[in-house]
Amino acid sequence: TQLLEQSPQFLSIQEGENLTVYCNSSSVFSSLQWYRQEPGEGPVLLVTVVTGGEVKKLKRLTFQFGDARKDSSLHITAAQPGDTGLYLCAGVGSGGSNYKLTFGKGTLLTVNP
Amino acid sequence: KAGVTQTPRYLIKTRGQQVTLSCSPISGHRSVSWYQQTPGQGLQFLFEYFSETQRNKGNFPGRFSGRQFSNSRSEMNVSTLELGDSALYLCASSWTGGGYEQYFGPGTRLTVT
Repeated sequence: TQLLEQSPQFLSIQEGENLTVYCNSSSVFSSLQWYRQEPGEGPVLLVTVVTGGEVKKLKRLTFQFGDARKDSSLHITAAQPGDTGLYLCAGVGSGGSNYKLTFGKGTLLTVNP
Repeated sequence: KAGVTQTPRYLIKTRGQQVTLSCSPISGHRSVSWYQQTPGQGLQFLFEYFSETQRNKGNFPGRFSGRQFSNSRSEMNVSTLELGDSALYLCASSWTGGGYEQYFGPGTRLTVT
């Protein structure tokens, strides 16, 4: 069974601060996705990283896939209240298990004005 | 393009009853996956359907079942409801398959009393 652990579980910061969220596993994934979920809504895909060591930027969000494709991080620069939400990482299994995503339990981020 | 729709959005049922939830994927998407989301366990994969066939299944009891119709719409059914089935049930559609970029609906909030 492939598991993804996210840390921290909860994060409350002030507007303008930087933060990093981590997603770790002992398993190798063929790719990894990051989602953000707001209250009352389903998760929305932010980015997919595929290649080990890959770095993708989405405005103030920077996503990195570990060299061994077992871990990933999300860094937010100068956080804003609009960044508040549940951040979920999801790994796509390699080989025969590639028909489902394995989700981490998420990091609940609150950015206070 | 219309997004993924789920009906109903909210549902209250009594222990022992059964429930059917519906999901309409994005037009052209042939894969539909179902997830259960709870505060304690996070997002857990239930099953994935592709072209009317169940292609993958998570670790849930047989009380949870699903099906997909020729127009890609999907339903999931939970029989003999238990209190622990209270959760947000999310449906996600994808063009190629459940392991790839998925688009989530807003979910159905099921409360079992």
